[in-house]
Amino acid sequence: GQSLEQPSEVTAVEGAIVQINCTYQTSGFYGLSWYQQHDGGAPTFLSYNALDGLEETGRFSSFLSRSDSYGYLLLQELQMKDSASYFCAFSGSARQLTFGSGTQLTVLP
Amino acid sequence: SQTIHQWPATLVQPVGSPLSLECTVEGTSNPNLYWYRQAAGRGLQLLFYSVGIGQISSEVPQNLSASRPQDRQFILSSKKLLLSDSGFYLCAWSPGVGSPLHFGNGTRLTVT
Repeated sequence: GQSLEQPSEVTAVEGAIVQINCTYQTSGFYGLSWYQQHDGGAPTFLSYNALDGLEETGRFSSFLSRSDSYGYLLLQELQMKDSASYFCAFSGSARQLTFGSGTQLTVLP
Repeated sequence: SQTIHQWPATLVQPVGSPLSLECTVEGTSNPNLYWYRQAAGRGLQLLFYSVGIGQISSEVPQNLSASRPQDRQFILSSKKLLLSDSGFYLCAWSPGVGSPLHFGNGTRLTVT
């Protein structure tokens, strides 16, 4: 079957670095995406990895290891506005996105 | 630039009533269109997707249906709502299968 696992909650302080892990299981794999969703809002696209390695976009980076079926989102220089839910999602054999249950990140002052 | 519009933002409907949520995309042609549902504090569940006019794929059996009468219009419907249909409904588009999704602002549906 297809599944994703990510931690339900992560807490960090302002200015710190936090890593949100995601492991997946699927019969076919085309890429891992990350989305951010603030309370009451819609998800917004953050990053996408189709190949192994690190992708950097400003304070956010995303990593993928296809051999380990594992990826992570790295957030640096945390700000209060980064408090949100973060979802990993993969494109599987059906090429449609399957989302994880999300990680609630709380940034403390 | 591309924009996606989804309405209404909130909706309260009694059990057994019909439903129609509309989504339109501007600034692109032949987008892939999606309807997702999100229960409170949960992930996103894909309900329907469409790769072209009149082409609808259903991911989850339910009392909901979707239609794509025009290239950039996607409609989610129900003839009779259930309490379990309550949730946050999100329309999204992408330029192609597997590409990043761009979401509308969502409709918060409460069935009473």
